[in-house]
Amino acid sequence: DQQVKQNSPSLSVQEGRISILNCDYTNSMFDYFLWYKKYPAEGPTFLISISSIKDKNEDGRFTVFLNKSAKHLSLHIVPSQPGDSAVYFCAANVKNTGNQFYFGTGTSLTVIP
Amino acid sequence: GAVVSQHPSWVICKSGTSVKIECRSLDFQATTMFWYRQFPKQSLMLMATSNEGSKATYEQGVEKDKFLINHASLTLSTLTVTSAHPEDSSFYICSARDTLAGTGELFFGEGSRLTVL
Repeated sequence: DQQVKQNSPSLSVQEGRISILNCDYTNSMFDYFLWYKKYPAEGPTFLISISSIKDKNEDGRFTVFLNKSAKHLSLHIVPSQPGDSAVYFCAANVKNTGNQFYFGTGTSLTVIP
Repeated sequence: GAVVSQHPSWVICKSGTSVKIECRSLDFQATTMFWYRQFPKQSLMLMATSNEGSKATYEQGVEKDKFLINHASLTLSTLTVTSAHPEDSSFYICSARDTLAGTGELFFGEGSRLTVL
């Protein structure tokens, strides 16, 4: 049972434009969310996180939005750069009760120069 | 940021042999480390939670006798794939959380690609 879903396996965006990656979850108990970036044959790299007490968190070009009622979060990258081309995973967990992070299947972002 | 190192990054072995993969937290202590497996075009799948000084906790469907995990120190966890078969070929990734920082952020190793001939 996939508790975290990324319904878009791929996304192409022109350099300089905004990239929006989406993630949906089913477990209303999730209260901590992460976005990771992964290049081929490398481990994931942490990008940005958000706790359920917030609905937005910004870090430079990256902003994560959380809509708890819709069980939806999104990652905005603006402006997009060719070096952002990678696979992006969202992950969720119940922060204070366990170590299990549930990952989405990833969205492959290609930023076209 | 904190660094987690995995070794080897790529290993090829013959069917029936055993392979050990190391995961080290280089600049922080980790009482808990996690081992994942990634199949092509699929999400990371948590295999087991490695606990320093005690037995690992395996996820449902993961054979503990097949995937031996040892977490002998606060900075090192090892995954041994015993009697490897071609279907064990995969990308294995470890992660760790800084025990003292408590931010919840997971730091990932670079991953180890296992190919079983």
